[in-house]
Amino acid sequence: NAGVTQTPKFQVLKTGQSMTLQCAQDMNHNSMYWYRQDPGMGLRLIYYSASEGTTDKGEVPNGYNVSRLNKREFSLRLESAAPSQTSVYFCASSEAHLSYEQYFGPGTRLTVT
Amino acid sequence: GDSVTQMEGPVTLSEEACLTINCTYTATGYPSLFWYVQYPGEGLQLLLKATKADDKGSNKGFEATYRKETTSFHLEKGSVQVSDSAVYFCALDQNTDKLIFGTGTRLQVFP
Repeated sequence: NAGVTQTPKFQVLKTGQSMTLQCAQDMNHNSMYWYRQDPGMGLRLIYYSASEGTTDKGEVPNGYNVSRLNKREFSLRLESAAPSQTSVYFCASSEAHLSYEQYFGPGTRLTVT
Repeated sequence: GDSVTQMEGPVTLSEEACLTINCTYTATGYPSLFWYVQYPGEGLQLLLKATKADDKGSNKGFEATYRKETTSFHLEKGSVQVSDSAVYFCALDQNTDKLIFGTGTRLQVFP
């Protein structure tokens, strides 16, 4: 039982490049999330998926797209990376209506130059 | 909108000292309240939670009581260890399955 896994762990991009961050969970959770963590800002929700096939914008969705490929996987895509997207990205999952506890992956540290 | 305010860090303590990290919230209704902990290089993990007023959450020697009258959920521990060094996040959920986080408080414990 690996919990929530994320790839890659580290990435450096040049401005304008694109990439996809991958996330998978093996806990059969319905809900999945993408957050970004910036110094002094805490965690901010980028996108949220309540179930397979549904996605909703969070607090800071601009510049990102997501895909809920199936119940296990939820990917985050940066189409044209900008230095303002330099951050640590966390994926999380939860089973709504049980305990509202979210389980987090280890994070992806992204630097855009 | 709903929000969570935490004391700024870092909080620097000697081993076996008492810890309090303040957390207050602004929310309509009756949110659930959480403390998450992030150890260096890792993701967040749930430390404790409380789902209604006057509930006390506890885990690993940490405690926090849901105080609706003061809209607070302060984290306390009677005797900290070096291994408690981490970043602590207070968060709330308005039963929408979406967490709202505070900015985090870094705790550094020295031997």
